[in-house]
Amino acid sequence: DTGVSQNPRHKITKRGQNVTFRCDPISEHNRLYWYRQTLGQGPEFLTYFQNEAQLEKSRLLSDRFSAERPKGSFSTLEIQRTEQGDSAMYLCASSLVRGEETQYFGPGTRLLVL
Amino acid sequence: AQSVTQPDIHITVSEGASLELRCNYSYGATPYLFWYVQSPGQGLQLLLKYFSGDTLVQGIKGFEAEFKRSQSSFNLRKPSVHWSDAAEYFCAVGPLGGFKTIFGAGTRLFVKA
Repeated sequence: DTGVSQNPRHKITKRGQNVTFRCDPISEHNRLYWYRQTLGQGPEFLTYFQNEAQLEKSRLLSDRFSAERPKGSFSTLEIQRTEQGDSAMYLCASSLVRGEETQYFGPGTRLLVL
Repeated sequence: AQSVTQPDIHITVSEGASLELRCNYSYGATPYLFWYVQSPGQGLQLLLKYFSGDTLVQGIKGFEAEFKRSQSSFNLRKPSVHWSDAAEYFCAVGPLGGFKTIFGAGTRLFVKA
């Protein structure tokens, strides 16, 4: 078990471009979460999946954002027509539904939109 | 509304001194409470968690936290700080109805020699 992994670790893009991030959760974990963290703030919830079903989305997740978890394993977060305000750290976490609900975080993908 | 408040944006402590980081929460039911640590440019590492039972919980790296329901607090403590503890610390409450966790804004810890 290598923990939650995220790729890429860093992404620089120009405004208006599309970007896609990948998250690989801990193998037996059936819940997967996406958070966004801006400088000086704590992570803010974006969305979460249980297996392949996306069960909740924050109002922060505008229609330019889309997340998928097609086979209930890895997940992708795509941002279309990026804006400078999208610059942030995007964190993925996973957990196992088994009474407790401890989320284990990946190292994050830092996005800079120029 | 559910929320987490960390009153101290940053704290400076001498190496070897004791540490207490404050956390207050607002939640409609018995919360699940967490403390995470984040080193620069890194993801979050779980230090400890409280779900139920003993209100004093032990975590990794010598940290402990005490849940006080009457004060809606979950303060993090360490008896002797090491230089490697310098990082940002986040208190969190969850899971909420949609299983999302709400984080405080964080407290940055500086350790001076």
